[in-house]
Amino acid sequence: AQSVTQLGSHVSVSEGALVLLRCNYSSSVPPYLFWYVQYPNQGLQLLLKYTTGATLVKGINGFEAEFKKSETSFHLTKPSAHMSDAAEYFCAVSDYGQNFVFGPGTRLSVLP
Amino acid sequence: EAGVTQFPSHSVIEKGQTVTLRCDPISGHDNLYWYRRVMGKEIKFLLHFVKESKQDESGMPNNRFLAERTGGTYSTLKVQPAELEDSGVYFCASSQFSGFGYEQYFGPGTRLTVT
Repeated sequence: AQSVTQLGSHVSVSEGALVLLRCNYSSSVPPYLFWYVQYPNQGLQLLLKYTTGATLVKGINGFEAEFKKSETSFHLTKPSAHMSDAAEYFCAVSDYGQNFVFGPGTRLSVLP
Repeated sequence: EAGVTQFPSHSVIEKGQTVTLRCDPISGHDNLYWYRRVMGKEIKFLLHFVKESKQDESGMPNNRFLAERTGGTYSTLKVQPAELEDSGVYFCASSQFSGFGYEQYFGPGTRLTVT
């Protein structure tokens, strides 16, 4: 069975500071890994995904994530936070893009 | 290209009533999924259609929930009768094979409140 844990249900950073949102997964098959973002009153938007190949994945809005198999991690980072990054972020694992299992989400607050 | 749409965006009903949620997937997507997020917990898988057939309905909580996908196009999720614990946000997603597997595109969700 697959599972996802996200450390920290709520993370606060100052504007301009590094954003680091943690995601660890377990999977019995080579995982496909995703980060989704949900802005207030909107649906889930794909930030980035890892399927195969390069382990450092770049996404939209300056976000990136690195797949580390040895650590079973897929942490999301952004060098400099903007106020517009305030949202809820979900890490997900799937087998080949089907059967998604989501983490509990991390709410990011950006302080001026 | 239009994305996944869901209707209504918000529904408030009383316990015991019936509610029907609708999802229109991206045109041409054979795969359609329903998910639910209850009370700020994880987003949980409910079921998966491939065209009009139910591929996996292991996540459906009980027989008060009925999902259909007529003609392999839009899908409906009916809750009858609704209970308080059914409150939450119901997401729909659709996907098609892209050579690197499937990427699911999510709709905005329907927020269901049962009072």
